[in-house]
Amino acid sequence: DAKTTQPPSMDCAEGRAANLPCNHSTISGNEYVYWYRQIHSQGPQYIIHGLKNNETNEMASLIITEDRKSSTLILPHATLRDTAVYYCIVRVNNRAALIFGKGTTLSVSS
Amino acid sequence: GAVVSQHPSRVICKSGTSVKIECRSLDFQATTMFWYRQFPKQSLMLMATSNEGSKATYEQGVEKDKFLINHASLTLSTLTVTSAHPEDSSFYICSARQPGLARDNEQFFGPGTRLTVL
Repeated sequence: DAKTTQPPSMDCAEGRAANLPCNHSTISGNEYVYWYRQIHSQGPQYIIHGLKNNETNEMASLIITEDRKSSTLILPHATLRDTAVYYCIVRVNNRAALIFGKGTTLSVSS
Repeated sequence: GAVVSQHPSRVICKSGTSVKIECRSLDFQATTMFWYRQFPKQSLMLMATSNEGSKATYEQGVEKDKFLINHASLTLSTLTVTSAHPEDSSFYICSARQPGLARDNEQFFGPGTRLTVL
């Protein structure tokens, strides 16, 4: 199973870009990288996912290195409401469920 | 995006009683639903995978006789915690897959149910 490694916590000033790294060195060629976040006492919220190319949507951008061994989630202008635990997940081959690691607790302050 | 609801959002019960939690996909049919459990300051832990019309598949270490899962329709799955004890107090989250999407793996999560066993 491909595993991910994320820093346990990060701080970001409101209005600045938040760059959240994730290592997934054992990822296989057909596995996607997913990012979810969980605001306190709520269910996880989908943010973005990608395979090889960089992706952007209304919430964030996902930058995947060429060797696919790591990726970075970018929140371009962090707000206080972006304070949450961010999970980088590689879909486990042949399994339907998303398996969560420990994630990164992002604290956005004014 | 698709919406998944859970009921109740919060429940307090006495030790030894059973509690049922409902998970519904509101605007799509979910052939597969998942149940997770989350203890304070910990990550989500997958408990079981539920396929409509068949028995649930439980993760290692999860007691199937204690956590009864029923997925009788394409929009409803229930988790019953039988003979609940204080150590079962946790945040229970369900998730549903919407088949037919291009990425074929998107899971939509419910808001969670906070169970407190006294």
